[in-house]
Amino acid sequence: DAKTTQPPSMDCAEGRAANLPCNHSTISGNEYVYWYRQIHSQGPQYIIHGLKNNETNEMASLIITEDRKSSTLILPHATLRDTAVYYCIVRITTSGTYKYIFGTGTRLKVLA
Amino acid sequence: NAGVTQTPKFQVLKTGQSMTLQCAQDMNHEYMSWYRQDPGMGLRLIHYSVGAGITDQGEVPNGYNVSRSTTEDFPLRLLSAAPSQTSVYFCASKSLKTGGYEQYFGPGTRLTVT
Repeated sequence: DAKTTQPPSMDCAEGRAANLPCNHSTISGNEYVYWYRQIHSQGPQYIIHGLKNNETNEMASLIITEDRKSSTLILPHATLRDTAVYYCIVRITTSGTYKYIFGTGTRLKVLA
Repeated sequence: NAGVTQTPKFQVLKTGQSMTLQCAQDMNHEYMSWYRQDPGMGLRLIHYSVGAGITDQGEVPNGYNVSRSTTEDFPLRLLSAAPSQTSVYFCASKSLKTGGYEQYFGPGTRLTVT
């Protein structure tokens, strides 16, 4: 199964862009990359997902390299409320069903 | 909509006891799953289901049973609790229809096994 690797922690100044990297070098052609975040001990919250094209929504942008072995989540103007653990996840499709494999996440701290 | 609900919020068990963690969703989602979260380990998939009557194993299924008799409910059973099962358990659901890409997570159940 494809696995993801993320740095354990990062700091970012408030108002600046936060760039969170993820390696998924064993990803297969039909496996999506998802990003979720977890604030305190709450349930994780969906942010964005993609297959091979770059994606943008109201929360973030997702940049996937052409070989799909890595991706970067970009929070364009980080706020204190973006302090959370960010998970890069690969969605595996097997026999028509899905499995979501979480990594250990990056703890992002946004500094005032 | 209440979304995904989990009961209980907290539970303390003695080694060898059994119990069922409840999970329910009111969004008519086909896909439901259980994760456990341990410090420094991220979330690990225990079991998942793509519809009533269909379940499959995730990464760490040993010591846990699931069943899916209705679309709404997906209970997780611990047959004989062990201290290694002390963790926070999250249930999630997702639509499998076109455009359904987001998993919705419940608030979690914090389980301690002594």
